[in-house]
Amino acid sequence: GAVVSQHPSWVICKSGTSVKIECRSLDFQATTMFWYRQFPKQSLMLMATSNEGSKATYEQGVEKDKFLINHASLTLSTLTVTSAHPEDSSFYICSARTPAGLPGLAGGDEQYFGPGTRLTVT
Amino acid sequence: GQNIDQPTEMTATEGAIVQINCTYQTSGFNGLFWYQQHAGEAPTFLSYNVLDGLEEKGRFSSFLSRSKGYSYLLLKELQMKDSASYLCAVRGVMNSGYSTLTFGKGTMLLVSP
Repeated sequence: GAVVSQHPSWVICKSGTSVKIECRSLDFQATTMFWYRQFPKQSLMLMATSNEGSKATYEQGVEKDKFLINHASLTLSTLTVTSAHPEDSSFYICSARTPAGLPGLAGGDEQYFGPGTRLTVT
Repeated sequence: GQNIDQPTEMTATEGAIVQINCTYQTSGFNGLFWYQQHAGEAPTFLSYNVLDGLEEKGRFSSFLSRSKGYSYLLLKELQMKDSASYLCAVRGVMNSGYSTLTFGKGTMLLVSP
């Protein structure tokens, strides 16, 4: 249980275009999903916290108008990188949090990660 | 805020035991996680500690001392497939009331024959 998928797994786009990445919780409802970015040999950096039905909470330094997050349902969150530039090339990973009380690895409230999306902007 | 420190790299030989340390300073603490991440892949959950002490799970064990802001991940009977980055992550409660994970930079473990 607690499987999270991401689509696409990799994408190459031209500078100036927009790219949408989907994150789905396949067998549980996730009221909260998280979006991370990881540059080579760096740690995961939290970009934003996405809550179903409300606006995302962005971390300091992350442009909300550039990284659009939509969490329209309990199983789907999307991240759209608008007007992508080469410096946006990175590994984008989402995670979904299980509801509290759900049997799991950490007493519920555990985050499960998607497989990641590698974005290359040329 | 959160600050998490762990060694950048470690090496060990197959069959050996290795201990990866993690120290943290946090404004709020609600659990410490260890994740394994192979290159180009997403992290996978290894262990979770919220109370002081040792949690054992097969070849992997994790220890936590909240008073010292210290944790370690112990890997026994190392296998080549254990070569990966090991991420220490602290769960805290933000001002917004939501909990979130803050990750260390990871320790790259190289297991040699």
